[in-house]
Amino acid sequence: NAGVTQTPKFRVLKTGQSMTLLCAQDMNHEYMYWYRQDPGMGLRLIHYSVGEGTTAKGEVPDGYNVSRLKKQNFLLGLESAAPSQTSVYFCASSYGPAGAGEQYFGPGTRLTVT
Amino acid sequence: TQLLEQSPQFLSIQEGENLTVYCNSSSVFSSLQWYRQEPGEGPVLLVTVVTGGEVKKLKRLTFQFGDARKDSSLHITAAQPGDTGLYLCAGATSGTYKYIFGTGTRLKVLA
Repeated sequence: NAGVTQTPKFRVLKTGQSMTLLCAQDMNHEYMYWYRQDPGMGLRLIHYSVGEGTTAKGEVPDGYNVSRLKKQNFLLGLESAAPSQTSVYFCASSYGPAGAGEQYFGPGTRLTVT
Repeated sequence: TQLLEQSPQFLSIQEGENLTVYCNSSSVFSSLQWYRQEPGEGPVLLVTVVTGGEVKKLKRLTFQFGDARKDSSLHITAAQPGDTGLYLCAGATSGTYKYIFGTGTRLKVLA
């Protein structure tokens, strides 16, 4: 039982390049979330999903796209990376909706855009 | 826009001291969670409070949800170096699917 895993752990991109971050969970959770964490700003929600095939925008969705084709996977894409997207990205999953249960977090992906 | 402000932002104390971290908002939340995050890892849930005025204890940590469910506090008694980390509060509103996270309090406990 691995919980929530994220790949890659580290990545350096040049401005304008694209990449996809993969999140996988083996707990059969319905809800999945992508956050970014920047110094002094806590965690900010980028996109989330309430079930397979669904996605919704969070607080800071611009410049990101997501897909949830399989229940266990939640992908975060950057089509044209910008230096402002330098951050640590966390994926999380939960069994129930917000407030109804614990969010389990992955170990994070540290992304640098030069 | 819902916001959760945490104070203080940074705290450095000696082992054995007591401390309180605050999480405040102008919005009402149906529940509030506290997480601790260590370097290079994701946050880990410490507690969830759901009732106004609720107090929960986890060993030396005491969590309280404000009567109006707009604020919360975390009190640590006799802090130890193992308590070092980033403490985050997160609020949830009934009927939504998302959490709003606070700005974080970075605690360092010196031996």
